Amino acid sequence: DQQVKQNSPSLSVQEGRISILNCDYTNSMFDYFLWYKKYPAEGPTFLISISSIKDKNEDGRFTVFLNKSAKHLSLHIVPSQPGDSAVYFCAAIPPGAGSYQLTFGKGTKLSVIP
Amino acid sequence: GAGVSQSPRYKVAKRGQDVALRCDPISGHVSLFWYQQALGQGPEFLTYFQNEAQLDKSGLPSDRFFAERPEGSVSTLKIQRTQQEDSAVYLCASSLLNGYEAFFGQGTRLTVV
Repeated sequence: DQQVKQNSPSLSVQEGRISILNCDYTNSMFDYFLWYKKYPAEGPTFLISISSIKDKNEDGRFTVFLNKSAKHLSLHIVPSQPGDSAVYFCAAIPPGAGSYQLTFGKGTKLSVIP
Repeated sequence: GAGVSQSPRYKVAKRGQDVALRCDPISGHVSLFWYQQALGQGPEFLTYFQNEAQLDKSGLPSDRFFAERPEGSVSTLKIQRTQQEDSAVYLCASSLLNGYEAFFGQGTRLTVV
């Protein structure tokens, strides 16, 4: 049973437009969420995170939105650039003693078309 | 080093062979994690170390999998009598503490033939 779901395996966006990547979770105990970016043959790289006490976190072109009631978060990339083409993983961490364990979604492959 | 280093990058093993995968974490990082990523899937937790103590090994798929970090720095993931379903990318990550802002290595791609 997947606790973190990324229902879109792939997404194509024109350069300069907005990319929106979605993530849903089922475990209401999760209290911290992260997005990782992964290029082929490399490990995941931390991109941006959000605590459950917030509903938005922004870092340059990247913004993560959290809707706790819907158990949904999204990553917005504006404007999208060809170098953003990668697989994006959503991950969640439970609080307290379990806060060492990341639970990942299956990823969404983003292709930004020049 | 500047980042988490894993070796080898690629490993081909015959079914039944034992393998050892190495992870050099970022210097000073207390926490070290191993994850397994099958093709088309997200990374899945295997085990967690805090310094030399293995605090959680609940994600290890079977008793053929063994991990150690004897001096609280370098870690080795050993898989005995490899099977085809062990084929995956094995990722190591480290952090100052817990899972927040964990830094991942490039992974070792294991192929069992």
